[in-house]
Amino acid sequence: DQQVKQNSPSLSVQEGRISILNCDYTNSMFDYFLWYKKYPAEGPTFLISISSIKDKNEDGRFTVFLNKSAKHLSLHIVPSQPGDSAVYFCAASGKNYGQNFVFGPGTRLSVLP
Amino acid sequence: KAGVTQTPRYLIKTRGQQVTLSCSPISGHRSVSWYQQTPGQGLQFLFEYFSETQRNKGNFPGRFSGRQFSNSRSEMNVSTLELGDSALYLCASMAGNYGYTFGSGTRLTVV
Repeated sequence: DQQVKQNSPSLSVQEGRISILNCDYTNSMFDYFLWYKKYPAEGPTFLISISSIKDKNEDGRFTVFLNKSAKHLSLHIVPSQPGDSAVYFCAASGKNYGQNFVFGPGTRLSVLP
Repeated sequence: KAGVTQTPRYLIKTRGQQVTLSCSPISGHRSVSWYQQTPGQGLQFLFEYFSETQRNKGNFPGRFSGRQFSNSRSEMNVSTLELGDSALYLCASMAGNYGYTFGSGTRLTVV
């Protein structure tokens, strides 16, 4: 039973437009969420995070929104660039320090020039 | 500072063999976690080590084991390899509850 779900395996967006990647979770004990980006033949790299005390966190072109009541978060990339083409993983963690992160299956984003 | 280093990058093994993968975390990071990545499954948590002790464990069979040394370097071992063990194995280190820094992974192919 997947605790973190990314229901869109892939997404294609035109360069310059907004990319919206979605993530749903089932465990109400999760209180810290991260997004990772992964290029082929490389390990995932940290992109942006949000804790449950916030509903929005912004870093340059990347914004993560958290809706705790819906157990839903989303990553917005504006404007999208061809270099953003990668697999994006949503991950969630509980309160305990060092508790493992539960990852979603990933969404492959393709930004078309 | 140097990132997380995993060796080897690629490995081909035969069913029934055993394999050992190595991970050197970022200097000063004491937590090392291992993940298995397969297509469509995302990253599945294997285990986490902190100060040479296994602190968390995922739902993998006992054929998967690990250890951590006093210098925080970690090894992961898989015995009696099966075809389904073919995957990208990722190691990540962490300092503080901020998030992982991943290595580039070891691509294991079992034939």
